[in-house]
Amino acid sequence: DSGVTQTPKHLITATGQRVTLRCSPRSGDLSVYWYQQSLDQGLQFLIQYYNGEERAKGNILERFSAQQFPDLHSELNLSSLELGDSALYFCASSLRDRNTIYFGEGSWLTVV
Amino acid sequence: GDSVTQMEGPVTLSEEAFLTINCTYTATGYPSLFWYVQYPGEGLQLLLKATKADDKGSNKGFEATYRKETTSFHLEKGSVQVSDSAVYFCALSDRDYGQNFVFGPGTRLSVLP
Repeated sequence: DSGVTQTPKHLITATGQRVTLRCSPRSGDLSVYWYQQSLDQGLQFLIQYYNGEERAKGNILERFSAQQFPDLHSELNLSSLELGDSALYFCASSLRDRNTIYFGEGSWLTVV
Repeated sequence: GDSVTQMEGPVTLSEEAFLTINCTYTATGYPSLFWYVQYPGEGLQLLLKATKADDKGSNKGFEATYRKETTSFHLEKGSVQVSDSAVYFCALSDRDYGQNFVFGPGTRLSVLP
């Protein structure tokens, strides 16, 4: 158990819909990262937050957005969902930059 | 920008065989280097890490040495087990020059009894 909690673990939704994935980082960790893992594209970095502020942005679509709240939990919002958005979405956390990052078990999203 | 290259596999070995998974990196600064492992149906777990040149990370019989001169961090294990079957990711962290964590594409390892 890494200490990073993600909900929901599985989600099935229809195209065009919107979903929110939630992440609670390890106690004391200030950075939260979001990754997308699909079969054909491997592990893709989406976005990082540090203590409530956006720190780095990767290949995140405009239909996707994220935020980190004052209690340090984070949410990833995915809207206007397409079939190609079906993937495993990971949250990870670390104390500071360059430290080891710890992954949650992921949220499986299936868009039908 | 920073990048990580690793052999993509899949790699199939017999139990007790020697394992090497190559990893090379490109970074502007002086990154920390990591190996993560993902077992079927699970998230990524830290396997080992090294934070400066010539450091050797080790865990569960796996080893990797940070080679700055060859910009490499190859993963090795002397005798693999069926339970080592997983996907292995090489990664670097270099906050000073851009995105914090960069992962390689992953190498799938299958160990046959």
